[in-house]
Amino acid sequence: RKEVEQDPGPFNVPEGATVAFNCTYSNSASQSFFWYRQDCRKEPKLLMSVYSSGNEDGRFTAQLNRASQYISLLIRDSKLSDSATYLCVVNRLRTNNDMRFGAGTRLTVKP
Amino acid sequence: EAQVTQNPRYLITVTGKKLTVTCSQNMNHEYMSWYRQDPGLGLRQIYYSMNVEVTDKGDVPEGYKVSRKEKRNFPLILESPSPNQTSLYFCASSLRDRGSYNSPLHFGNGTRLTVT
Repeated sequence: RKEVEQDPGPFNVPEGATVAFNCTYSNSASQSFFWYRQDCRKEPKLLMSVYSSGNEDGRFTAQLNRASQYISLLIRDSKLSDSATYLCVVNRLRTNNDMRFGAGTRLTVKP
Repeated sequence: EAQVTQNPRYLITVTGKKLTVTCSQNMNHEYMSWYRQDPGLGLRQIYYSMNVEVTDKGDVPEGYKVSRKEKRNFPLILESPSPNQTSLYFCASSLRDRGSYNSPLHFGNGTRLTVT
């Protein structure tokens, strides 16, 4: 079993739709959580951190459920520019040297 | 501009021919790391470095070497490349002591390696 699991998709949604991705992790000692965005053939970039109380950044909302060991990402009012692969990232340590990446969920937003 | 620079972007080589992929960052980051990305597997860590002259194995170090003689540079060396090292490689860096929430990884733009 992979340490970080994501539904690979693809998710194909119309502009303006709300879409949600889930990610589960197996190590209960994990300490920090992130969503990264990766455009086709490009490098991953941090989209948002995920805090215990949940957090929002514009149209994006991230939630953490430690008891069930999953994190989620909700995108409201999808834009064409949201089309990308979204990587779930889990860290077991305080420093960056033990980041675990999910394989990614691919999102395509269509006109 | 703050960035992580990898070279080359694309590389096609033959089995057994030694190669080096360079990585340089201009943000004075202590931490640097190499990942490979393969379809369906996500990014897997090859080696990382917490500071100059300090390197450690990640999850998939076999067949790779690294060095950290200067803070800004962290080259990845394949002494004898094999076809199973065909992959997309990313270098990343961050500050070390501020914790992962306060110091996100900055990635280079990737090197697509093909070994025939």
